[in-house]
Order: sequence, then C-alpha cells, then structure tokens
Amino acid sequence: GAVVSQHPSWVICKSGTSVKIECRSLDFQATTMFWYRQFPKQSLMLMATSNEGSKATYEQGVEKDKFLINHASLTLSTLTVTSAHPEDSSFYICSASAPPGNTIYFGEGSWLTVV
Amino acid sequence: GQQVMQIPQYQHVQEGEDFTTYCNSSTTLSNIQWYKQRPGGHPVFLIQLVKSGEVKKQKRLTFQFGEAKKNSSLHITATQTTDVGTYFCAGPYFGNEKLTFGTGTRLTIIP
Repeated sequence: GAVVSQHPSWVICKSGTSVKIECRSLDFQATTMFWYRQFPKQSLMLMATSNEGSKATYEQGVEKDKFLINHASLTLSTLTVTSAHPEDSSFYICSASAPPGNTIYFGEGSWLTVV
Repeated sequence: GQQVMQIPQYQHVQEGEDFTTYCNSSTTLSNIQWYKQRPGGHPVFLIQLVKSGEVKKQKRLTFQFGEAKKNSSLHITATQTTDVGTYFCAGPYFGNEKLTFGTGTRLTIIP
C-alpha cells in the first residue's frame, strides 16, 4: 500500500534554532499534504494544508512565519519550525491521500524536543 | 467552531470484553473515517463510511454512521491485547477536504 515517510523521527534542538521535518510520499504523487501537531494524550490538530507549487494554507492560530511549509515537488513537503522554543516541543505528523479512493496515509511522525 | 467529540475518553476493559466508542460532530460530515493510533505510533486508517446509516464490519470491529451523518460508533467484540491504542474518528465537513479529528478514546486491555 501507499507509504508516507517522515524524517527525522526524533530531533532535539536548542532554543532559537530552526528544525526541518520532511514528509515524502514514497510510491504515489501527492498534490496535497497535511501537517498536524499532537500533544501527549491529545488529538491531532491540523496546522496547515501543503499545496504543491503554491503557498500553504494555515489554520487559524498557526503562525505561518514560524511554521514554514514548502511543497516543492509532488512527493515532498517540508515543515520548518523556525526560532524554536520549548513550547514548540510536540509530535508533528503529516498525511497525504493516495489513489485509488483517496485513502489517507500518515507518516510515522516526528518528535521534536526543544531544549 | 466545528467540533468532533468522542466518548469515553478512556476505557479499560478485561480481555474478551466488548468495547464501544462514540463519535459526535457538531455539524454534518460528508463522511466519517476511523483511525487507530498505537502508543508511540502514528494513526492508521481503519475504515471510511460515506452513506447515512451505513454499517461496516471488519472481523471483530463494527462501524456505524448515523442517519444524520453527525455521529458514528466503533464497536469491538471480544477485545484482545492487540486492540490497545487510541481510536480516533475524523471527518471532513461538506465542501472541505480537511479532516477534523475527534478527541479520541484510549483503550487499555487488562489481560
């Protein structure tokens, strides 16, 4: 079946630095990918919709200048957390819909810890 | 705003007992999807229901979509330790492909 891969799985960074997380569709093309954030024991909160070749669409309350999304190709979307702070520590996860039937597949997720 | 609530938030059952989680949306959904997330893992797609009143079964799992397309349920018969995890419902609202996830129900099994 379709696979969505995320990298890195775990990352620790210092406050003030930037971290890039990659989301790849391995065996299908994804014109749209979604980025979520999940705090421990909570549900997934949609951050933004990543659109290939155009600007991402951010959900209300999500700072677009802090969470930079780039969808440069049909198989790759990246999320860059800029000037990271400890409160940005979370589980970030992407998803994409794959043919046939547009089933949603999630990446393995990326644990970000800002120290 | 649009909300999708699930009850219960937590459920502890003895292995072999049945389990049900209920999903309620504040507005009508175009379809309902169910996902399972194991501890430390990512959500895995289980099923999608589209039609009003639809019922689907996957082995010991039974999924229902309400007549008004605002609620859904997942029932597991004779739970096993492999059923451990958090079950999320999710649905896109009409005219919007974005998924809104429910609050989730965490299932733990007592062997």
